[in-house]
Amino acid sequence: KAGVTQTPRYLIKTRGQQVTLSCSPISGHRSVSWYQQTPGQGLQFLFEYFSETQRNKGNFPGRFSGRQFSNSRSEMNVSTLELGDSALYLCASSLSGADTIYFGEGSWLTVV
Amino acid sequence: AQSVTQPDIHITVSEGASLELRCNYSYGATPYLFWYVQSPGQGLQLLLKYFSGDTLVQGIKGFEAEFKRSQSSFNLRKPSVHWSDAAEYFCAVGVGSAGTASKLTFGTGTRLQVTL
Repeated sequence: KAGVTQTPRYLIKTRGQQVTLSCSPISGHRSVSWYQQTPGQGLQFLFEYFSETQRNKGNFPGRFSGRQFSNSRSEMNVSTLELGDSALYLCASSLSGADTIYFGEGSWLTVV
Repeated sequence: AQSVTQPDIHITVSEGASLELRCNYSYGATPYLFWYVQSPGQGLQLLLKYFSGDTLVQGIKGFEAEFKRSQSSFNLRKPSVHWSDAAEYFCAVGVGSAGTASKLTFGTGTRLQVTL
């Protein structure tokens, strides 16, 4: 079956703009979580959604937000982009959040 | 708060040699533990996980890991490394609300280089 799918894979944005990233979880998975990966900070948890509700949250500013739709697909949004937001954004899904977590290939965001 | 330490930033082994990547975690209860591998420019692939039960877990690609509660460790091993194993390896502990594992805290990773 298809894995976790993230779109777009690569994008370049200008400082001050906003960006929306999309994630389609594995079929049947209801938990979707997002991570940011940078060379300096490593892999950091952003937030997790389950049944359209945010269930866990990391330590990121309010510029980072997300949502989940009734079909479990999820989007994350970053407003007022800063240069430091350049990163690989990874989406992960699991059946319930208490089991195996599978990652997508990620969305590479470059802020110039 | 939970934390994960991978003390080795970079390891080089010869093809065919054995491998052990170290991982220590800090968490008050029994955590969910994972090992992931990442090739350059790619996402994370799950190698294996520990939730409960047998402390020696088998994963894909011939990897195994042993959970040692007394040492707060979850070291990854492979008896014979292949050149294709060269990648970055991440240990993670999963802790979240309502007993979930979905909030992963990762170590800083260990980059494995394999020489022929």
